[in-house]
Amino acid sequence: DGGITQSPKYLFRKEGQNVTLSCEQNLNHDAMYWYRQDPGQGLRLIYYSQIVNDFQKGDIAEGYSVSREKKESFPLTVTSAQKNPTAFYLCASSPSGVTTAPRNYGYTFGSGTRLTVV
Amino acid sequence: GEDVEQSLFLSVREGDSSVINCTYTDSSSTYLYWYKQEPGAGLQLLTYNFSNMDMKQDQRLTVLLNKKDKHLSLRIADTQTGDSAIYFCADRSNDYKLSFGAGTTVTVRA
Repeated sequence: DGGITQSPKYLFRKEGQNVTLSCEQNLNHDAMYWYRQDPGQGLRLIYYSQIVNDFQKGDIAEGYSVSREKKESFPLTVTSAQKNPTAFYLCASSPSGVTTAPRNYGYTFGSGTRLTVV
Repeated sequence: GEDVEQSLFLSVREGDSSVINCTYTDSSSTYLYWYKQEPGAGLQLLTYNFSNMDMKQDQRLTVLLNKKDKHLSLRIADTQTGDSAIYFCADRSNDYKLSFGAGTTVTVRA
């Protein structure tokens, strides 16, 4: 079955460490997104990519980095510059505007990674 | 999309109907969505509307759109304990990115 997979489900980071969250999709979607979710604050966009080898900053990109070397993969690195990284991170994908069929079913989400600083 | 607003909490008795409301500001919104998030999980697409559709029904779910007032609602009939979750409204405008509301936490009480 096609889907989007995030790993690991739980991740612990020590102060000053960089950590990388994995996101892989086999839906043949062009666009991929990373969101951060904190209690009571909804979803905030970190980075997004609409095509391979290209990505743009979202609303809260500081302290994060991404790469998009393959269509299927969009890993997120939480760097030591991110001062408050404890949160639930969600990855999503969607068809791009260029390739979208007339009916678009929105984003498909992964099951999330919970990152905790210890 | 720009701003999407929802109330944060809704408490409903089991068996009653739930109505979750959403307003959006971007008049160019082309698609509108409702997502459900259960604890510790990702978001699951419940339903979508084109911005020119007034009503859509799917089993216990009914979506009503008032395009003039930019108001979208999700009605859940015969609410069950499994409906306890956070419900997100989202709109998509011409740039193909979704804008999400803050989410409405629905609590179903016995």
